[in-house]
Amino acid sequence: AQKVTQAQTEISVVEKEDVTLDCVYETRDTTYYLFWYKQPPSGELVFLIRRNSFDEQNEISGRYSWNFQKSTSSFNFTITASQVVDSAVYFCALSEEGGANSKLTFGKGITLSVRP
Amino acid sequence: NAGVTQTPKFRVLKTGQSMTLLCAQDMNHEYMYWYRQDPGMGLRLIHYSVGEGTTAKGEVPDGYNVSRLKKQNFLLGLESAAPSQTSVYFCASSKHPGTGGFGYTFGSGTRLTVV
Repeated sequence: AQKVTQAQTEISVVEKEDVTLDCVYETRDTTYYLFWYKQPPSGELVFLIRRNSFDEQNEISGRYSWNFQKSTSSFNFTITASQVVDSAVYFCALSEEGGANSKLTFGKGITLSVRP
Repeated sequence: NAGVTQTPKFRVLKTGQSMTLLCAQDMNHEYMYWYRQDPGMGLRLIHYSVGEGTTAKGEVPDGYNVSRLKKQNFLLGLESAAPSQTSVYFCASSKHPGTGGFGYTFGSGTRLTVV
């Protein structure tokens, strides 16, 4: 069965600090997709990134970067020079392509607070 | 450019009442899902559907029923609401994995309170 673990529950940083959000996953499939979503205080789910299991290249998008390592089953997310607007709950999620239903399994989320 | 639309956005129910949450998508997606979000629990799958006329149980199906009579609609029903069903409900849809542009589109959520 697929599983996503976000061991950190709450992180508090001061603006301009860098912060890394950890994500560890479990799956028996060789083909799968990993996602990160942001949920700001307004409540909607904002898609940040999708990575498939065959693409281990790290990704950078502005202040955001992602480190995917199959050897450790991790897909960590780093925010550089954090800003107050980054305050949100962040979810890591996994979808197995081989599954009959492609359901998305979420971690429990990490609440990030960025203080001015 | 509607994507996934959930109605209603807010609802307060009394224990024992019934209601139906509607999810509509206009992207011709095959798969649709209902999740609930509770503090500290992330999003948990209630029921899902891989096509019109088919439904299946997810991780937390008890107390809920679903129907997918039309490809674009996925209904979530509560026959006899309980306070434990107080939650935020999200609907999502997706193409089949491996399809170009595969990803999930979420609705904006329904906040349900059962008193």
